[in-house]
Amino acid sequence: DQQVKQNSPSLSVQEGRISILNCDYTNSMFDYFLWYKKYPAEGPTFLISISSIKDKNEDGRFTVFLNKSAKHLSLHIVPSQPGDSAVYFCAAKSSWGKLQFGAGTQVVVTP
Amino acid sequence: EPEVTQTPSHQVTQMGQEVILRCVPISNHLYFYWYRQILGQKVEFLVSFYNNEISEKSEIFDDQFSVERPDGSNFTLKIRSTKLEDSAMYFCASSEGTSGGNEQFFGPGTRLTVL
Repeated sequence: DQQVKQNSPSLSVQEGRISILNCDYTNSMFDYFLWYKKYPAEGPTFLISISSIKDKNEDGRFTVFLNKSAKHLSLHIVPSQPGDSAVYFCAAKSSWGKLQFGAGTQVVVTP
Repeated sequence: EPEVTQTPSHQVTQMGQEVILRCVPISNHLYFYWYRQILGQKVEFLVSFYNNEISEKSEIFDDQFSVERPDGSNFTLKIRSTKLEDSAMYFCASSEGTSGGNEQFFGPGTRLTVL
């Protein structure tokens, strides 16, 4: 079941620069998309979400963009900070709240 | 800040044994979920639960799995006869609702190791 894909397993970015994480999906019935952040030995922590009827949502340093025609979304983190080093999961929601996750992207922010 | 808690943090069991993983969701949440993540793989949905009933379950959630809300605070996942391939991190989550951006709050997980 590959309905949500994150094709970049890792991303290295310098502190202060922009991190761009990408996610593709195949199911047009998804109504909400979410980004979660995960540190080792912890559960996923919600970051930001976007409705399928919007194309942008911003919350502080985090902005999510949705391109429905391309079935693509991206998460921008500006500026990147060392504490942002974690695994980032894209997730899509359908029906009874079920979340389908991508494989995750490991972000490393270097000084 | 309210949080989802899970016990135990690590459970080691022999193949064929029954295990019960426990979760305490956030108190005013009505929807409860179990997910799992096998090492090196993506987080996978197992089951959602609302109003004392299963709302949705995945293909993984076969007859060996069951969920229960035995009292007003706990939410449990039982695996009747564990297999080696059940070794994974199991995450419990809860949410107020399922519509819109009702985010799911995840617990820290239980690492299940089946020997």
